Amino acid sequence: NAGVMQNPRHLVRRRGQEARLRCSPMKGHSHVYWYRQLPEEGLKFMVYLQKENIIDESGMPKERFSAEFPKEGPSILRIQQVVRGDSAAYFCASSNQRDTYEQYFGPGTRLTVT
Amino acid sequence: DAKTTQPPSMDCAEGRAANLPCNHSTISGNEYVYWYRQIHSQGPQYIIHGLKNNETNEMASLIITEDRKSSTLILPHATLRDTAVYYCIVRRSGNQFYFGTGTSLTVIP
Repeated sequence: NAGVMQNPRHLVRRRGQEARLRCSPMKGHSHVYWYRQLPEEGLKFMVYLQKENIIDESGMPKERFSAEFPKEGPSILRIQQVVRGDSAAYFCASSNQRDTYEQYFGPGTRLTVT
Repeated sequence: DAKTTQPPSMDCAEGRAANLPCNHSTISGNEYVYWYRQIHSQGPQYIIHGLKNNETNEMASLIITEDRKSSTLILPHATLRDTAVYYCIVRRSGNQFYFGTGTSLTVIP
């Protein structure tokens, strides 16, 4: 049973470009969570999605960031017009139900903005 | 969700028990204590959770004090592969986990 897949694992973007991060949840999981980890800090929750719905986006920056989880295909975290402060590791997690004690995390995407 | 306090770092000899403390003095009655770990910048991994009773699974034991204001994660026989950052998390319910800065555990040969 494959785990949570994230790609790319490393992404380099110049300031002003767009970054697209993809997350494929574990098989059978329909709940996806995105977290961001800045250097030397813990993970910070960004958004929680179910298929075709954003359930909780309380941790998402108000501008430039968006997320989707379409009926078919992976969840996408999109960052428009990236700035150096967006450089971080972005982790996706999935679960098979809401309000579960265990979220399964992917390996992360390390975004570097130059 | 209640805030947690953990020591920033700890060492443990290989083969010995690693005891990782966590203070959560503002915990409320319906908040659970969770432990996750993050090995070398990989995605976090669930370890164990509990409400008020002590819990044990194949990875670790969780000891929660009677007043629930603190807890201890015990790795009974630490190995080099247990070197990681360990996060103690308290949450009521819902969608997100709040990861603080955790305890960086180094297992020494």
